Amino acid sequence: QVQLVESGGGLVKPGGSLRLSCAASGFTFTDHYMSWIRQAPGKGLEWLSYITSSGDNIYYADSVKGRFTVSRDNAKNTLFLQMNSLRAEDTAVYYCARGAGPIFDPWGQGTLVTVSS
Amino acid sequence: IVLTQSPGTLSLSPGERATLSCRASQSVSSTYVAWYQQKPGQAPRLLIYAASSRATGIPDRFSGSGSGTDFTLTISRLEPEDFAVYYCQQYGSSPPGTFGGGTKVEIK
Repeated sequence: QVQLVESGGGLVKPGGSLRLSCAASGFTFTDHYMSWIRQAPGKGLEWLSYITSSGDNIYYADSVKGRFTVSRDNAKNTLFLQMNSLRAEDTAVYYCARGAGPIFDPWGQGTLVTVSS
Repeated sequence: IVLTQSPGTLSLSPGERATLSCRASQSVSSTYVAWYQQKPGQAPRLLIYAASSRATGIPDRFSGSGSGTDFTLTISRLEPEDFAVYYCQQYGSSPPGTFGGGTKVEIK
């Protein structure tokens, strides 16, 4: 079955870095755009970025532009999110999802990133 | 484009009908409107795409409608497993994806 599994979350100090991974299985990874979406504790959903199937084009939300970098390894069916210069407001559950709009389906189970000193 | 969902919370009993609203700040193609369900501790799940098409495996008590700036998700008869938070989402050019603030459907 189609499955996305995120990993790499944890506790990091303000200004620090973290790299998230999203392992995909059950579908042809190279056929699909992929996205990262986050959800701060008790809040709504915020789309962060998408990457095209080949990785040639990437779009970022203004809130993370210049600090976050998305990449993919199509040989390993894995999506990445490199997060630098982390701030307290980046604390959230980070989801990867297949697609880049108009729909996101499915989503991974999410990985929690906590930015705190 | 900003999506405003109302009400923020809907208190209903099982078996009742739920009507959730999503209003866009400017006209959106219905092709690019989706609805998601999120239960506590879980990832969102796609319910409706293209404003009115049910995703695979979604029961027919869920329906979507609307056009232009006003879109609606209707749950015809609430089942216990339907109590959750629901988000609408639109796809556009910049940014490509935005979500509404969500509507919580809670047990009355």
